Amino acid sequence: DADVTQTPRNRITKTGKRIMLECSQTKGHDRMYWYRQDPGLGLRLIYYSFDVKDINKGEISDGYSVSRQAQAKFSLSLESAIPNQTALYFCATSDFRGPNTGELFFGEGSRLTVL
Amino acid sequence: LAKTTQPISMDSYEGQEVNITCSHNNIATNDYITWYQQFPSQGPRFIIQGYKTKVTNEVASLFIPADRKSSTLSLPRVSLSDTAVYYCLVFSGNTGKLIFGQGTTLQVKP
Repeated sequence: DADVTQTPRNRITKTGKRIMLECSQTKGHDRMYWYRQDPGLGLRLIYYSFDVKDINKGEISDGYSVSRQAQAKFSLSLESAIPNQTALYFCATSDFRGPNTGELFFGEGSRLTVL
Repeated sequence: LAKTTQPISMDSYEGQEVNITCSHNNIATNDYITWYQQFPSQGPRFIIQGYKTKVTNEVASLFIPADRKSSTLSLPRVSLSDTAVYYCLVFSGNTGKLIFGQGTTLQVKP
């Protein structure tokens, strides 16, 4: 089983719909991140969280919200999806106590299409 | 957070050593340099992290000069399976942020 699990893996929805992407991890890491990747481009940071009570905006947080329900769970919501939010979304975790503090562990991605 | 600049693409042949250089002129004292590899439709995978001088692991080496304004990822004897996008990131030890740049697309030819 994957250490960082994202659901759903694929989702097609319509403009204006509310969408939630979920991420859960079994690595026991405190830090969790959400990134989006558009075709041919690098990853852009949406939100990140260092613990249940700590949520931080990334580069492109407009149109998104997050919830850190527990240490192991970090959800990304699109309140009213629009077509330019069509992208591949990645959740990641990190352990700041580890030997490589900049090492992120990624999930398999959630491909979202907004029609 | 320090911005990184790296070549958009590189070509190599199997068995050659590949060096990818990244510049990060505004790197701060508490920042670390990390490199990731990404295959299509997969999440990036951590390769190596360093602060200064040289770091080596089982897959790569990272060279960082004394001024830390640049770094070079060295991949020894590449194979076709090393064809991927390689990202240089500056990791902030203060904020914990990791910002990806455009990356370098490495194409390894037979």
